[in-house]
Amino acid sequence: DVKVTQSSRYLVKRTGEKVFLECVQDMDHENMFWYRQDPGLGLRLIYFSYDVKMKEKGDIPEGYSVSREKKERFSLILESASTNQTSMYLCASSGSDRGSSGELFFGEGSRLTVL
Amino acid sequence: AQTVTQSQPEMSVQEAETVTLSCTYDTSESDYYLFWYKQPPSRQMILVIRQEAYKQQNATENRFSVNFQKAAKSFSLKISDSQLGDAAMYFCAYRGYNFNKFYFGSGTKLNVKP
Repeated sequence: DVKVTQSSRYLVKRTGEKVFLECVQDMDHENMFWYRQDPGLGLRLIYFSYDVKMKEKGDIPEGYSVSREKKERFSLILESASTNQTSMYLCASSGSDRGSSGELFFGEGSRLTVL
Repeated sequence: AQTVTQSQPEMSVQEAETVTLSCTYDTSESDYYLFWYKQPPSRQMILVIRQEAYKQQNATENRFSVNFQKAAKSFSLKISDSQLGDAAMYFCAYRGYNFNKFYFGSGTKLNVKP
């Protein structure tokens, strides 16, 4: 069974704290993504990575950074958490064969509350 | 950037009946993929169905089918014989043929009444 695992389902942090969200996939996928999900806004792309040490900004990268040191692991970092970063964070991965649908496989999500 | 619009924030259907969820998108590309994803409460998002834009035939997966109207840029999901387990958020998504970025709609919450 294919699997995308996010390290924490629920986190509560204080304003100004540094937050790490970890994601690991076991499908040898090239592409990995971090999305933020908010009610009424759907999924918004924060960052994605198409290879080890490669990253690209998505639509809402401000306040976030990412790290991809190994193919299977993609980390999202909030350098200084703020209350407006309270949200559900979804990690996903996909293969990169051109012409394939590149279906996204999702983790279970990490619900972050910043107080 | 491409946009995906789901105009129905919430819908309800009686068990065993049929419901259609709407999705429209905006693109200048001719080749692309469209998807419907399901997110049950507190559970992980899974793929329901996908459609390749170059295929004229509408995709079908068991009780789930789509009505793909390329010229109208419309991609609706029909769920037949609705079951309680179909209750979830449903997201429509677009992916360009040569790009890995997905664009998602805002979602439709489907309630299934027993």
